[in-house]
Amino acid sequence: AQKVTQAQTEISVVEKEDVTLDCVYETRDTTYYLFWYKQPPSGELVFLIRRNSFDEQNEISGRYSWNFQKSTSSFNFTITASQVVDSAVYFCALMVIQGAQKLVFGQGTRLTINP
Amino acid sequence: DGGITQSPKYLFRKEGQNVTLSCEQNLNHDAMYWYRQDPGQGLRLIYYSQIVNDFQKGDIAEGYSVSREKKESFPLTVTSAQKNPTAFYLCASSIQLDPDTQYFGPGTRLTVL
Repeated sequence: AQKVTQAQTEISVVEKEDVTLDCVYETRDTTYYLFWYKQPPSGELVFLIRRNSFDEQNEISGRYSWNFQKSTSSFNFTITASQVVDSAVYFCALMVIQGAQKLVFGQGTRLTINP
Repeated sequence: DGGITQSPKYLFRKEGQNVTLSCEQNLNHDAMYWYRQDPGQGLRLIYYSQIVNDFQKGDIAEGYSVSREKKESFPLTVTSAQKNPTAFYLCASSIQLDPDTQYFGPGTRLTVL
C-alpha cells in the first residue's frame, strides 16, 4: 500500500525566514512519482512540482527548492526568504501507476507567514 | 482561457436530498477525477474517468455516482446514501500520459443542513 506522511500539521514563521516542509512516503514500487501542491485560502490546488523516482536531482525554482532522497523516502520542500503570500496549505502526493493515475495525498501542512 | 470550472462554489442541501456538482474542463484532457477533502485531511479519491463513457470507483465511492457522457464534463452526484456528505469537493483533470500531472478546479463546498 502507498502512504504519504506530512508530520508537521501547522508551521508558523516570521516573514523572510526559511522554512522546510517535510514529506515521507511509503511504496514498494520502484517506479513512482512525487508531487507538491499548494492550496491557498481560495481552495484551489496549485501544482508546484513533479518528480519521478529515477531522478534524485534536487530542484530549485526561485525561492522554492525540493530535496528528494530515496534512501530516506523523503521529498522535502524548502521556501527561502518566506513571504506572506506563501501562506497556504501544502500537500505532498505520491502516484503509482497501477492501471490508472491515482494520487495518494498526505494530510497537508498549514504554513502561516507572519509579517 | 483554458481551465477547469466547478459550480456552484457553495452548495447547501437538506438531509435526504441528492445534489449534483458540476465539473467542466476545456483543456482537452482525457482523464477526470473527483476528490473529497475534509478539514485537516488530505484529498481522497471518489471516482475517476480515463475516457468518455467509462469511469471507475476510487477509495470512497459509496454514496456517490458519476457520469462521463462528454469529454469536457464529469458531474458528481452526492446521493442521500452518503452518510456524511459535508465536505469540500475538488475536480481534477489530466492528459493521461504516463504519468501526467493532475490540474484542479476551484472546488465546491457542500454543506448538509
